[in-house]
Amino acid sequence: EVQLLESGGDLVQPGGSLRLTCAASGFTFSNYAMSWVRQAPGKGLQWVSVIYGGTGQTYYADSVKGRFTISRDNSKTTLYLQMSSLRAEDTAVYYCTRCRGADCYSPFENWGQGTLVTVSS
Amino acid sequence: EIVMTQSPATLSVSPGERATLSCRAGQSISTKLAWYQQKPGQAPRLLIYDASTRATGIPASFSGSGSGTEFTLTITSLQSEDIAVYYCQQYYRWPPLTFGQGTKVEIK
Repeated sequence: EVQLLESGGDLVQPGGSLRLTCAASGFTFSNYAMSWVRQAPGKGLQWVSVIYGGTGQTYYADSVKGRFTISRDNSKTTLYLQMSSLRAEDTAVYYCTRCRGADCYSPFENWGQGTLVTVSS
Repeated sequence: EIVMTQSPATLSVSPGERATLSCRAGQSISTKLAWYQQKPGQAPRLLIYDASTRATGIPASFSGSGSGTEFTLTITSLQSEDIAVYYCQQYYRWPPLTFGQGTKVEIK
């Protein structure tokens, strides 16, 4: 059974930094692209970033480019999202997702339960 | 960026009746479309991908159709457990990967 378990969400001040972690299990982690998707309170879903499994190639939404860094440790089957220069509009539940294949020209097949990031003074 | 537009914003359906949700893409996306269900307080769940293929464990009461720019999710007989927000998402051309704004399905 595929399991994705996020952690690291917290209350942080504007301009601050935070690192989210997603522990994955139940599948061959290195074979799949992974992604972060976020949802602001009461709002819809917004894609944040993707990282490929084999090449480690990364992609970002314009709203987070230059501030967020996605990475992965295939030996630890763990996905990360390093967030810096945080803004109030980054407040959201952040979901770790697994794409259905080696790239994300495929749906988000599995989702974690999410971790809440609140940016406020 | 490919804009995804869902309609209606809210859909009220009587139990046992059919629910029909629409999703329109700003440009052709072939059949590279997924539907997700999000119940209150839960993470989204994949229902349909490639426009019409049900994901593992999804009942036959859910079906998807369409290609190009017009897509439909149909729930043939609405049950109370189907109350949720439904999102469409394209994965044809990205970045960015884009979602519709969601359709909330409620019991009439």
